[in-house]
Amino acid sequence: AQSVTQLDSQVPVFEEAPVELRCNYSSSVSVYLFWYVQYPNQGLQLLLKYLSGSTLVKGINGFEAEFNKSQTSFHLRKPSVHISDTAEYFCAVSVMKTSYDKVIFGPGTSLSVIP
Amino acid sequence: EAGVVQSPRYKIIEKKQPVAFWCNPISGHNTLYWYLQNLGQGPELLIRYENEEAVDDSQLPKDRFSAERLKGVDSTLKIQPAELGDSAVYLCASSLATSGGGDTQYFGPGTRLTVL
Repeated sequence: AQSVTQLDSQVPVFEEAPVELRCNYSSSVSVYLFWYVQYPNQGLQLLLKYLSGSTLVKGINGFEAEFNKSQTSFHLRKPSVHISDTAEYFCAVSVMKTSYDKVIFGPGTSLSVIP
Repeated sequence: EAGVVQSPRYKIIEKKQPVAFWCNPISGHNTLYWYLQNLGQGPELLIRYENEEAVDDSQLPKDRFSAERLKGVDSTLKIQPAELGDSAVYLCASSLATSGGGDTQYFGPGTRLTVL
């Protein structure tokens, strides 16, 4: 069965500092990988996703993530965070079933940007 | 373009009462999902529809939960009777499914249910 681990439940970081949010997954088959962000009292929205090709994926709001197949990781990074990046971040993995893909979300990492 | 619409946004009920949530997906999206999100956790799939067909309801507690998606557009999720442990946020999402998978899901703001 597939699973997603986000080792850091909370990450505090000062404004304009770099940040990395870690995500590891377990799967015996090829996967698609996603990062979603959830702002307070809102639904999730896609930051970026990896389907195939280049292992470095760029997303919205200056975020990027790198797919590492050997380490089964998909860490999210941003070189300089802003106050508005304060939110909950969810890593997700999807695996193709017979006719559709099943998406599993991680427990989330709460990013707090300190002024 | 309007996003995924959910109502109500908040609902407070007493245990053993019924409750229903409504979702209107993005126009043209054939796939609709209902998720349960407990505090401090990621969304957990309850049911997935492809048009009118529920293709994955393996995590839906069928003794008290039911869902329908009439005409392959709007959907309703019902709980009867509600229990204290059902207090959570219920998220609806939709996507335009492709054969290869990896589709982006678009989420509504959710319905926060409190069972007293």
